[in-house]
Amino acid sequence: EVQLVESGGGLVQPGGSLRLSCAASGFPVNGHYMTWVRQAPGKGLEWVSVIYTGGSTYYADSVKGRFTISRDNSKNTLYLQMNSLRAEDTAVYFCARVRAELRVDAFDIWGQGTMVTVSS
Amino acid sequence: EIVLTQSPGTLSLSPGERATLSCRASQSVSSSYLAWYQQKPGQAPRLLIYGASSRATGIPDRFSGSGSGTDFTLTIRRLEPEDFAVYYCHQYGSSPPWTFGQGTKVEIK
Repeated sequence: EVQLVESGGGLVQPGGSLRLSCAASGFPVNGHYMTWVRQAPGKGLEWVSVIYTGGSTYYADSVKGRFTISRDNSKNTLYLQMNSLRAEDTAVYFCARVRAELRVDAFDIWGQGTMVTVSS
Repeated sequence: EIVLTQSPGTLSLSPGERATLSCRASQSVSSSYLAWYQQKPGQAPRLLIYGASSRATGIPDRFSGSGSGTDFTLTIRRLEPEDFAVYYCHQYGSSPPWTFGQGTKVEIK
């Protein structure tokens, strides 16, 4: 079964760090572009970052320089390293698979989400 | 960055009625790289439409997408009880950043 399962969320103080994980099953994470999307409480969806199969990475301006997307092919897992966290980073973080292989496309498989709360 | 504006913010309809949701882009969306998602409370989004008009796997044919350039539409032909949810459009043009609309809530009248 094709599936994504996130973990690593929690409560962190402003300025702190957290690493989210997204374990994939049923397909290789290095065979598709993989992305992170977040949703603040009661708000809409916000695209955060993407990693291409070739390793290129892109970020939303709101997280550029603070967040780093990566993957471990041997563990078939996607990561999001979040540093210098702010209150406005509080959200449910979803990982998602880009539908087509080797090109941009919509997001067809989503994880269940992991909650990150930034508060003192 | 392409800004997507969805209208209306809320659509109040009865089961069996037709729903028409709009998504307008601040600039042309390349190659119709426009998708629609459905999200219910406490759940992850679900892909409905990609490429502006192609239904994703397992999506009923009462859902249809149309449009190009800057104007796109999601139509739900006859609303079923399970269709009441929030719907988002999403542009995934050739180069990030990618963006979502603010959402349209379809609620039971």
